[in-house]
Amino acid sequence: DAKTTQPTSMDCAEGRAANLPCNHSTISGNEYVYWYRQIHSQGPQYIIHGLKNNETNEMASLIITEDRKSSTLILPHATLRDTAVYYCIAARFAGGTSYGKLTFGQGTILTVHP
Amino acid sequence: NAGVTQTPKFQVLKTGQSMTLQCAQDMNHEYMSWYRQDPGMGLRLIHYSVGAGITDQGEVPNGYNVSRSTTEDFPLRLLSAAPSQTSVYFCASSYSSVGAGELFFGEGSRLTVL
Repeated sequence: DAKTTQPTSMDCAEGRAANLPCNHSTISGNEYVYWYRQIHSQGPQYIIHGLKNNETNEMASLIITEDRKSSTLILPHATLRDTAVYYCIAARFAGGTSYGKLTFGQGTILTVHP
Repeated sequence: NAGVTQTPKFQVLKTGQSMTLQCAQDMNHEYMSWYRQDPGMGLRLIHYSVGAGITDQGEVPNGYNVSRSTTEDFPLRLLSAAPSQTSVYFCASSYSSVGAGELFFGEGSRLTVL
């Protein structure tokens, strides 16, 4: 799986958009970009994933550059409860008896302040 | 739905003792896995299962055994605990074989080996 690079930490004001970048310059054509977050030592929580099109769900938006070498997770209106470690992961499609193994890096510590 | 349930939440062992961390999911998910999380190391895959009766090793399998006799349960066994196994353990499940899909994580089991 491709290695991902994220900033160690970021700050965001409550109510503002939080834009979390991720570099995955060696991503291959069949690798998806996944985002998870982990709030204060709870189990990681899936947020969103995409292959090459931008994606949006009730939690966030995912913007993937046309060359797929980087992406941005957008939390449109950050709240204090969004303070967490955010993980960007590149993982292959795995069919049959294969299992897509997630490789969690260090992630980005996002702190949302009042 | 309870989701993914892990027991116990906390455990203290002495070196050489054995124990089993329990994981159960009620979502009829085919895929289940165990991760450990250590400070500064991120989450690392220990063992995984793609269905009842089928298990395989992840990144750090040494010192751990697993079995999958039912779809719902995926216990992790420590046969002879060592201080290096002090960690937070997360069980996860998924219904999808598309990449990593959407993993549902339990709340974690915090193990200390003295």
